Amino acid sequence: EAQVTQNPRYLITVTGKKLTVTCSQNMNHEYMSWYRQDPGLGLRQIYYSMNVEVTDKGDVPEGYKVSRKEKRNFPLILESPSPNQTSLYFCASSTSGRQPQHFGDGTRLSIL
Amino acid sequence: GESVGLHLPTLSVQEGDNSIINCAYSNSASDYFIWYKQESGKGPQFIIDIRSNMDKRQGQRVTVLLNKTVKHLSLQIAATQPGDSAVYFCAEATLSGYSTLTFGKGTMLLVSP
Repeated sequence: EAQVTQNPRYLITVTGKKLTVTCSQNMNHEYMSWYRQDPGLGLRQIYYSMNVEVTDKGDVPEGYKVSRKEKRNFPLILESPSPNQTSLYFCASSTSGRQPQHFGDGTRLSIL
Repeated sequence: GESVGLHLPTLSVQEGDNSIINCAYSNSASDYFIWYKQESGKGPQFIIDIRSNMDKRQGQRVTVLLNKTVKHLSLQIAATQPGDSAVYFCAEATLSGYSTLTFGKGTMLLVSP
C-alpha cells in the first residue's frame, strides 16, 4: 500500500529538549515536504526536498532542520523546541513539487 | 489541542444536497490547482486537480470549476453524503519553472443525515 508514515503520532515534551519526527514514503517519490497546520492559518510549508541531498526552506523554516540522506526518508528535527512550535505536523511526498502530494496522518507535538 | 476546523468558514448541508465550496486564489501566475479533503485526525487527501487551460473538470461526484478572470476556484460535490463531512482545501502552483503548492485556509463541510 502506498503510504507516507510519520512517527511519533503524538508527543508531549519540554522546551529545549531536542526531538526528531521521522517520515518515510514507499512510493519512490523524489519530492518530500514538511508542513505545520495551525487553527486559522492553514497548512504552511516548513522545508522541502526535491531529491536526495537537496533541501530548501519553505515559508516557516525558523527553528527547524531537515535532512535527506535517502530517497525514502525525510526527518524533521527540532534542535531546541519552544512552545510556539506546538502544532500539528504533516509530511508529504510526490513525484514533483507541482504534483498532488500524498500526506501522512500527522504528528501532534506539544511543547511545554 | 484545538481542532484545525476551528476558525474556518463552514458550509452545512443536508444529505443528498449538492455542495459548492469556493476558493479565491492569490497568484495570477498560478496555473495548476488541486482540491484536498481532510477528515478529522487524518492528513489531507487528494480529490481532483485542474490545469489553467481548462475551466471545468469532472471526477466521481465532484466537479472543479476554474475562473481565471476573477481568480476563483470551486468544488461541487453532487449528492453529498455524511462521509463527505471534512475540511476542504484548495492549493495552487505554477507548472512552469520551479514551484511548490500554496494552500488556502480551508472550508469545513458538515453534512446532516
